[in-house]
Amino acid sequence: EVQLVESGGGLVQPGGSLRLSCAASGFTFSSYWMHWVRQAPGKGLVCVSRINSDGSSTSYADSVRGRFTISRDNAKNTLYLQMNSLRAEDTALYYCARAPEVSPGVIDYWGQGTLVTVSS
Amino acid sequence: EIVMTQSPATLSVSPGESATLSCRASQSVSSNLAWYQQKPGQTPRLLIYGASTRATGIPARFSGSGSGTEFTLTISSLQSEDFAVYYCHHYNNWLTWTFGQGTKVEVK
Repeated sequence: EVQLVESGGGLVQPGGSLRLSCAASGFTFSSYWMHWVRQAPGKGLVCVSRINSDGSSTSYADSVRGRFTISRDNAKNTLYLQMNSLRAEDTALYYCARAPEVSPGVIDYWGQGTLVTVSS
Repeated sequence: EIVMTQSPATLSVSPGESATLSCRASQSVSSNLAWYQQKPGQTPRLLIYGASTRATGIPARFSGSGSGTEFTLTISSLQSEDFAVYYCHHYNNWLTWTFGQGTKVEVK
């Protein structure tokens, strides 16, 4: 069974940092691109960042570029998102999601999400 | 950045009727377009990719069409479990993949 389990969310003050993790199981992690997608309360889906299967290529939304860093450890089947200089507008549920290497833009499975709240 | 615009924002439909959802891209995304369904409190579910290919396990009442800048998701004979928010998502340029703002399909 495919599982993506996010952790690391919580309440943080503006300007603070958090590191999200996503533990993957039930599939060959190293064969999938991985994505972070966020959803602010009551709002739509927003692509945050993505990383290719071997970790050599990454991309970011304009709103987080320079503040967030995506990475992965294929030996540990884990995806990360380091978030620095957090702002109130970063408050959202952060989903970890996978996409097959043959179709890296087609997200076929999502985790349950971890909530990040940026507030003083 | 390619902007994806969905219409209408809300669609009121009676069970058993069909629903047509639109998604327009600000520039061509070829057929690199997916549709997702999200029910309250749940994670999104992939319905359609490549503009018209149903994902595994998706019922035939869901169909997608279009290419370039104009796309449509049609749900024929709406079932109670189909009332949800639907998002289109382009993945044409790997640097800037974006979702539409969503269309809520509600019970009329």
